[in-house]
Amino acid sequence: SQQGEEDPQALSIQEGENATMNCSYKTSINNLQWYRQNSGRGLVHLILIRSNEREKHSGRLRVTLDTSKKSSSLLITASRAADTASYFCATPYSNSGYALNFGKGTSLLVTP
Amino acid sequence: GAGVSQTPSNKVTEKGKYVELRCDPISGHTALYWYRQSLGQGPEFLIYFQGTGAADDSGLPNDRFFAVRPEGSVSTLKIQRTERGDSAVYLCASSFNPGQNSPLHFGNGTRLTVT
Repeated sequence: SQQGEEDPQALSIQEGENATMNCSYKTSINNLQWYRQNSGRGLVHLILIRSNEREKHSGRLRVTLDTSKKSSSLLITASRAADTASYFCATPYSNSGYALNFGKGTSLLVTP
Repeated sequence: GAGVSQTPSNKVTEKGKYVELRCDPISGHTALYWYRQSLGQGPEFLIYFQGTGAADDSGLPNDRFFAVRPEGSVSTLKIQRTERGDSAVYLCASSFNPGQNSPLHFGNGTRLTVT
């Protein structure tokens, strides 16, 4: 199976600052997704980027994908305390199936 | 309900007992997934249903774990002879269409504690 790994494991910033999280994966993919998880809750889908896209925006989120380096980044601009959560990248579990593989996540703390 | 519903939210059981965890997906979602999440880790894939059939059960750790989805909607994850190592949050997710571009919608999970 394929698996993404996020970096850093933990990130602490102040409100208003930007937060950048990185994800590396091992084999070719046709898309990569980012999810957020608040403490004690399920994961929430944030954004999907396809392998033929290099950059995608959604509100304060910017995702990049570099298939040559097998890496992706998630940038949250002008962070807020409500952005405090764990962030996971997800890649297809297998070439033929539709399940996803998740990394260990980046724990983001945004302090007022 | 608008989202994926999982019951119970918490389950404490003794080692060796049998447990059932229930998932009610979003209405109309044909694909259903079970994941297990240990503390500080990402979700670990267990099994995926397309309709009533298990399309991929390669993530089930051993034969003590079994899941069903008899009518293509509600699913039950069954764990026999529970062990302390089974303690984790069990997450269920559904998606409208199975496809590698379909986002997953997760429930809040069932926290299983085996004593």
